[in-house]
Amino acid sequence: DTGVSQNPRHKITKRGQNVTFRCDPISEHNRLYWYRQTLGQGPEFLTYFQNEAQLEKSRLLSDRFSAERPKGSFSTLEIQRTEQGDSAMYLCASSLVLGQETQYFGPGTRLLVL
Amino acid sequence: AQTVTQSQPEMSVQEAETVTLSCTYDTSESDYYLFWYKQPPSRQMILVIRQEAYKQQNATENRFSVNFQKAAKSFSLKISDSQLGDAAMYFCAYRFSGGSNYKLTFGKGTLLTVNP
Repeated sequence: DTGVSQNPRHKITKRGQNVTFRCDPISEHNRLYWYRQTLGQGPEFLTYFQNEAQLEKSRLLSDRFSAERPKGSFSTLEIQRTEQGDSAMYLCASSLVLGQETQYFGPGTRLLVL
Repeated sequence: AQTVTQSQPEMSVQEAETVTLSCTYDTSESDYYLFWYKQPPSRQMILVIRQEAYKQQNATENRFSVNFQKAAKSFSLKISDSQLGDAAMYFCAYRFSGGSNYKLTFGKGTLLTVNP
């Protein structure tokens, strides 16, 4: 069990550019969640997958955001035409749909949009 | 919609002393879970303790215990014998136990400083 990993850990981009983040969940975890955490706030839910199916998206997830989880393994979160308001920590968590369903978090990707 | 409120942005405690972090929540549901997560500086968030709403007994994990008051919708975390490694941001979180989306709703967090 190597834990949830996220890449890159830090990303600086210019406004208007596209960025993509990757999350590798704990192997065999079939649920994967994306959260966004801005300064001074707790994480806020963005979207989640069960296996490869994206089952719910928050209203926070504008049409510039897209997430995928091909083959139910790793997931990517892409932000198109980034805005300064997108600057935040993007957290990924995974869980197993059995038992207590504890969510295990990755270290996050910190995005800064200039 | 469910909300979680942590009214203490910052707390400090002396090493080996006890500290209590407060959390209140609002929900119309009767079946749910409550959590405390710890986020050390520049490190990932880890689960400290969880409480099922249907259980009257307060959860404990070593030096960490909760005071769960369902009627008051209060869920405080007590850290006994505080250690330097306990310094972190602590988040209280709620999760509805029904449906299929087990998303967590977090409070804004309490930054805990442990003084040697």
